[in-house]
Amino acid sequence: QQQVKQSPQSLIVQKGGIPIINCAYENTAFDYFPWYQQFPGKGPALLIAIRPDVSEKKEGRFTISFNKSAKQFSLHIMDSQPGDSATYFCAASMAGNQFYFGTGTSLTVIP
Amino acid sequence: DTEVTQTPKHLVMGMTNKKSLKCEQHMGHRAMYWYKQKAKKPPELMFVYSYEKLSINESVPSRFSPECPNSSLLNLHLHALQPEDSALYLCASSQAATTYEQYFGPGTRLTVT
Repeated sequence: QQQVKQSPQSLIVQKGGIPIINCAYENTAFDYFPWYQQFPGKGPALLIAIRPDVSEKKEGRFTISFNKSAKQFSLHIMDSQPGDSATYFCAASMAGNQFYFGTGTSLTVIP
Repeated sequence: DTEVTQTPKHLVMGMTNKKSLKCEQHMGHRAMYWYKQKAKKPPELMFVYSYEKLSINESVPSRFSPECPNSSLLNLHLHALQPEDSALYLCASSQAATTYEQYFGPGTRLTVT
């Protein structure tokens, strides 16, 4: 059973656009929701993370929106650039011991 | 410094070979992890070491044998692998197994022939 559902599987946007990637979870015991960015042949890099006591977190051009009642969270990338082209994984964790990853979204930003 | 290093970067081995993957971190983290990642899939947890003791083994076949010689070093010993074990093997670390920020290394691309 997929603990974290991620959509879309792939996404193509023009430079300057705002891609949005969505994730949903069922287990209300999750208390940490990170996003990872992965370039081909590289390991995932922690991008931004949120805890369920806040509804939004911004770091530079990256924003997480969190809806606790709907059990959904999303990543928004403002003013997207070709260098943002990568695979993005959402994840959820309880007590930090094990991460449940979404299936990934392949983002392509066209110049 | 949030760097986790892994060697080798690439490894090709036959099904009868014995090889080892190495992971190192100097951030003072006390939890270290091995993940396996297939192409276009998310990482799958294999092992967790907490304070140099194995705390989680996600039912990984015995042909994979982890070792944590000290708090900075994590090895994964490989023996009698199958072609389906070909994947990117990722190491990660965190301050403790109950803290949240996991930092991943660049991975070792393993091909089993």
